[in-house]
Amino acid sequence: GENVEQHPSTLSVQEGDSAVIKCTYSDSASNYFPWYKQELGKGPQLIIDIRSNVGEKKDQRIAVTLNKTAKHFSLHITETQPEDSAVYFCAASSDYKLSFGAGTTVTVRA
Amino acid sequence: DTAVSQTPKYLVTQMGNDKSIKCEQNLGHDTMYWYKQDSKKFLKIMFSYNNKELIINETVPNRFSPKSPDKAHLNLHINSLELGDSAVYFCASSHETSGDNEQFFGPGTRLTVL
Repeated sequence: GENVEQHPSTLSVQEGDSAVIKCTYSDSASNYFPWYKQELGKGPQLIIDIRSNVGEKKDQRIAVTLNKTAKHFSLHITETQPEDSAVYFCAASSDYKLSFGAGTTVTVRA
Repeated sequence: DTAVSQTPKYLVTQMGNDKSIKCEQNLGHDTMYWYKQDSKKFLKIMFSYNNKELIINETVPNRFSPKSPDKAHLNLHINSLELGDSAVYFCASSHETSGDNEQFFGPGTRLTVL
């Protein structure tokens, strides 16, 4: 089955700086890579996703890149704000299911 | 209007008891899921249903039995609760079963087994 590894497990950044989270996956058949944000006491919420036929996607301050050859994808958050503090999960889709990374706790320092 | 709702939000019970968690979605989606999030925040799929039919069963003990009375509801019944069942359980739904579309998560049910 699919195995998704995510780094770092924790990330502390100064407000206004950028944050980068990296993930690798094992199943070359995976074709969909979403990123979810989970705020304290809430369920995960999709913030951006990318499909295997695209190398990069951007939505305002958030961007995702995908390298299918190397089987890794990354989330980039620019100009971080306090409301970006949360747990972020990457995931990869194969065999009708999502396999999630272990999560990254992002703390934005004011 | 809540898209995916779960009840209860908190559940505290003794070892050996039987309990149920209810989930409802008003998004008109065909596929629903149950996930377990452990104390380390690791999120793992347990089951998925498409229009009341089981699609995925991820080697979950038989003590866990999902029930889907209609495509808008997917309830989770747990028999003979064990300490290791303590976790946050999330229900989710998506438009399609393929796995490559957005999943909408409920607020979670924190289960504590004493």
